[in-house]
Amino acid sequence: KNEVEQSPQNLTAQEGEFITINCSYSVGISALHWLQQHPGGGIVSLFMLSSGKKKHGRLIATINIQEKHSSLHITASHPRDSAVYICAVLGGSNYKLTFGKGTLLTVNP
Amino acid sequence: GAVVSQHPSRVICKSGTSVKIECRSLDFQATTMFWYRQFPKQSLMLMATSNEGSKATYEQGVEKDKFLINHASLTLSTLTVTSAHPEDSSFYICSALRRGVSYNEQFFGPGTRLTVL
Repeated sequence: KNEVEQSPQNLTAQEGEFITINCSYSVGISALHWLQQHPGGGIVSLFMLSSGKKKHGRLIATINIQEKHSSLHITASHPRDSAVYICAVLGGSNYKLTFGKGTLLTVNP
Repeated sequence: GAVVSQHPSRVICKSGTSVKIECRSLDFQATTMFWYRQFPKQSLMLMATSNEGSKATYEQGVEKDKFLINHASLTLSTLTVTSAHPEDSSFYICSALRRGVSYNEQFFGPGTRLTVL
């Protein structure tokens, strides 16, 4: 069974701070997703990674396949970044995702 | 990114009624779609994999007669919650799989919040 562990579970930051959310998984994967969910809202896919690093605006995602670890960084955080961030991994050929429990980020003004 | 829609976004119904939720991939064809449910403060739980033109594959513990899935076209999958009860109240999310030359990617719908009274 592929376990996905995220840390921290909860994170509170002041506006402008640099944020890092971590994700570790236990078996080989073909890709990793970072997802965002605002309270009461739907899921938005931020990144899909299979190697290296991706950047979109203030968001940066990295993955180390050998260490089975990925990080999501938010630079110059803003209150609108407050949401649950979910790591999900794709393994095997059945296209099923295994989800982490999410990290609740609160950015205070 | 690709767009997946769900309809309705919210539904409130009486116990015993059936509710149909639609999931559409708006700008690509999806032979495979997924249905998830999410309880408050919990992560997504996969309910079933919807395959165009064939029967859905249900996860262990999910009643196929309770949650009817139909994937009749390459852009539409429907989930019908039959004889809904209050314990079926949840946030239902679909995703559509876009197959690419070098990789496949899932795109998520905005979700449907079901409240059964």
